[in-house]
Amino acid sequence: AQSVTQLDSHVSVSEGTPVLLRCNYSSSYSPSLFWYVQHPNKGLQLLLKYTSAATLVKGINGFEAEFKKSETSFHLTKPSAHMSDAAEYFCVVSEPGNTGKLIFGQGTTLQVKP
Amino acid sequence: DAGVTQSPTHLIKTRGQQVTLRCSPISGHKSVSWYQQVLGQGPQFIFQYYEKEERGRGNFPDRFSARQFPNYSSELNVNALLLGDSALYLCASSLGPRDTYGYTFGSGTRLTVV
Repeated sequence: AQSVTQLDSHVSVSEGTPVLLRCNYSSSYSPSLFWYVQHPNKGLQLLLKYTSAATLVKGINGFEAEFKKSETSFHLTKPSAHMSDAAEYFCVVSEPGNTGKLIFGQGTTLQVKP
Repeated sequence: DAGVTQSPTHLIKTRGQQVTLRCSPISGHKSVSWYQQVLGQGPQFIFQYYEKEERGRGNFPDRFSARQFPNYSSELNVNALLLGDSALYLCASSLGPRDTYGYTFGSGTRLTVV
């Protein structure tokens, strides 16, 4: 069965410093992996998607993630945090087939301090 | 173009009552998925409908049901509400049933059961 584990429930950084949000996945096949962001009282917005084309995936707002099969990881990074990055971040894996099921991690709350 | 629209945005119901939540997908999208997000957790998959047929079902009781209409809009029904059904209900639309098409989420319906 597919699953994702977000290793930190809460991450706090200062504005202008790098961001690292960690995610490990479990999958019996080559997975499709995503990072979504959720701002307070808002829906989910797709940051980036990995579908086996390239291991380093660039997303919106300066975020990127690297797929490492040997480590079963898909960590999200950003070189310099901005106050507007404060939000909840979800690492997601899709279930194979045509069920359309996305499996979400528990989420990581990113706090950005001025 | 309008995004995914959900109605109502907020709802308060009493235990034992029934509720209907509505979702209008992005124009041209034929697939609608429903997720339940309990406070402090990641979203959990409830259903996916594609071309008016159920394509996937999550681990939810039979009190939860859904349907998709010819115009591809969808309703999620929950009967015999329990306090534990209090959550943010998210709808996502896509062109097709697989993740390769990409999903766009609505802002959700906040259901409170008292």
